[in-house]
Amino acid sequence: DAGITQSPRHKVTETGTPVTLRCHQTENHRYMYWYRQDPGHGLRLIHYSYGVKDTDKGEVSDGYSVSRSKTEDFLLTLESATSSQTSVYFCAISEGGLQETQYFGPGTRLLVL
Amino acid sequence: NEVEQSPQNLTAQEGEFITINCSYSVGISALHWLQQHPGGGIVSLFMLSSGKKKHGRLIATINIQEKHSSLHITASHPRDSAVYICAVTYNTDKLIFGTGTRLQVFP
Repeated sequence: DAGITQSPRHKVTETGTPVTLRCHQTENHRYMYWYRQDPGHGLRLIHYSYGVKDTDKGEVSDGYSVSRSKTEDFLLTLESATSSQTSVYFCAISEGGLQETQYFGPGTRLLVL
Repeated sequence: NEVEQSPQNLTAQEGEFITINCSYSVGISALHWLQQHPGGGIVSLFMLSSGKKKHGRLIATINIQEKHSSLHITASHPRDSAVYICAVTYNTDKLIFGTGTRLQVFP
């Protein structure tokens, strides 16, 4: 299994508070991704990174920011959490871009009250 | 929707041959099949851009002209119970996921 961890695994927070989710990899893969998964929707890409300090927006990036200061860590921040951001968040990594196999982390379940 | 899967839900008896279908409407550079376990973990099964791939009891095929892919499971087993997700890469930087097919295999 690819070495990908996410923290925290579960979080409950209140509307308006900032939240940061962490993805850590030990595979030295160049690309890292953040997805959200909601009932009735497929996985949707929030942001991705193609290198240290290199990031780009995905399909549902509004309300989220990311940072990657080291190859192994990719942070997702909700600046001011809203109830619509209640979701399960998955991190993924790949050696190349979206045309290559992705390896997923275990997910973080976030509840915004 | 750019990616449609069928059926949405599928039940089978152990040992049956199972087919899950994925149709897409855009020109793609790759198609992915993923498996999501009941506990939530996601595993990549196949990534293909043409032809057919086989891994154990799983076979994935793609027909680029028809914009269609199938995932087959031979000799199904209860441990195959999961959600199977199709996703397509297009424009090299877009990845669109289907909503998944929930499979339950009973002993």
